[in-house]
Amino acid sequence: AQSVTQLGSHVSVSEGALVLLRCNYSSSVPPYLFWYVQYPNQGLQLLLKYTSAATLVKGINGFEAEFKKSETSFHLTKPSAHMSDAAEYFCAVRIYTGNQFYFGTGTSLTVIP
Amino acid sequence: DTGVSQDPRHKITKRGQNVTFRCDPISEHNRLYWYRQTLGQGPEFLTYFQNEAQLEKSRLLSDRFSAERPKGSFSTLEIQRTEQGDSAMYLCASSLERGPGANVLTFGAGSRLTVL
Repeated sequence: AQSVTQLGSHVSVSEGALVLLRCNYSSSVPPYLFWYVQYPNQGLQLLLKYTSAATLVKGINGFEAEFKKSETSFHLTKPSAHMSDAAEYFCAVRIYTGNQFYFGTGTSLTVIP
Repeated sequence: DTGVSQDPRHKITKRGQNVTFRCDPISEHNRLYWYRQTLGQGPEFLTYFQNEAQLEKSRLLSDRFSAERPKGSFSTLEIQRTEQGDSAMYLCASSLERGPGANVLTFGAGSRLTVL
């Protein structure tokens, strides 16, 4: 079975500080991994994806994530938080042979001025 | 293309009534997904279509729920005899079947259901 665990349902950072949102996955076969962002009253938007190419993946808005197979992790980072980064972030997994995407419970990011 | 459209955006209904949501995917996308999202949770898979064929359904989808995609374009999700536990945001997403686009879900803004 596939699942995604996001540690920390709420994360607060100061503007300009490092953003680190954690995601661990469990999958019996190699997965595709994704981060989505959801702004209030909007649909989920893809930030970045890992599909077995480079393990360090760069996404939109300065975010990046690193796939670490040994740690079964895909943590999302951004060197310097902006106020506009305040949103809900979801990690998701899809196995190569499946068509379902499984989402974590989300992490709400607050950016403090 | 204007992306994935969902209608209505908000629906308030009384318990026991039927409701129907509509999703218009991106026109060239042949896969269409329905998800349900409750407060504090991530999207939960309900069902998905490839063209007009419904290929997978979650065990979450009780027999009060039915989804269709009759011509392989728009889809409807109907909930019969609504219960308060059905209150949630219903999300639609679409994707291509093959290639890099098969790994990118494009979501609509969702239809929020409140059952009184």
